[in-house]
Amino acid sequence: AQSVTQLGSHVSVSEGALVLLRCNYSSSVPPYLFWYVQYPNQGLQLLLKYTSAATLVKGINGFEAEFKKSETSFHLTKPSAHMSDAAEYFCAINAGGTSYGKLTFGQGTILTVHP
Amino acid sequence: DGGITQSPKYLFRKEGQNVTLSCEQNLNHDAMYWYRQDPGQGLRLIYYSQIVNDFQKGDIAEGYSVSREKKESFPLTVTSAQKNPTAFYLCASSERGPATQYFGPGTRLLVL
Repeated sequence: AQSVTQLGSHVSVSEGALVLLRCNYSSSVPPYLFWYVQYPNQGLQLLLKYTSAATLVKGINGFEAEFKKSETSFHLTKPSAHMSDAAEYFCAINAGGTSYGKLTFGQGTILTVHP
Repeated sequence: DGGITQSPKYLFRKEGQNVTLSCEQNLNHDAMYWYRQDPGQGLRLIYYSQIVNDFQKGDIAEGYSVSREKKESFPLTVTSAQKNPTAFYLCASSERGPATQYFGPGTRLLVL
């Protein structure tokens, strides 16, 4: 079975501060991992994805994530938060096998950015 | 413009009523998905389809039904058997396999 756990349902940072959103995964096979962002009352937008190429993945809007197999983690970071980054962020995993094509999502982390 | 459309944006259901949510995509994707989103619970998979005329139950299929008669369309019916239908419903599509899923704007279902 595959799963992801997002640590912290709410994260609050000041504008210009480092953003760190945590995601740990569980999978018996090499996973594909995704980060999505959702603004209120909208669908999800892909930020970045890991598909077993480079372990450091760069995405849109200045976000990046590092795949660490030894820690089973895929944390999302951004060096300097903007007010426009305030949204809910979801980590998701696709581990192939019998789950081929299916994504399993974490419970989400709401990011608040203070002026 | 390629993308996924969902309609309506808001939908109201009366007790005992079946309602159908529309999802259309023009991305030429083989696979389509329906998710339910409740606050603090992330997204949960209702049904998915990897190819026309075939679909599989997800994690919370009870009280829902789907059809996949055309590649572009994957409507979801919320039946009267679904006792707690109030939620935000998201449709997605992807190429076959462990590919990126692209999401529509969502439909919010409310019970009168």
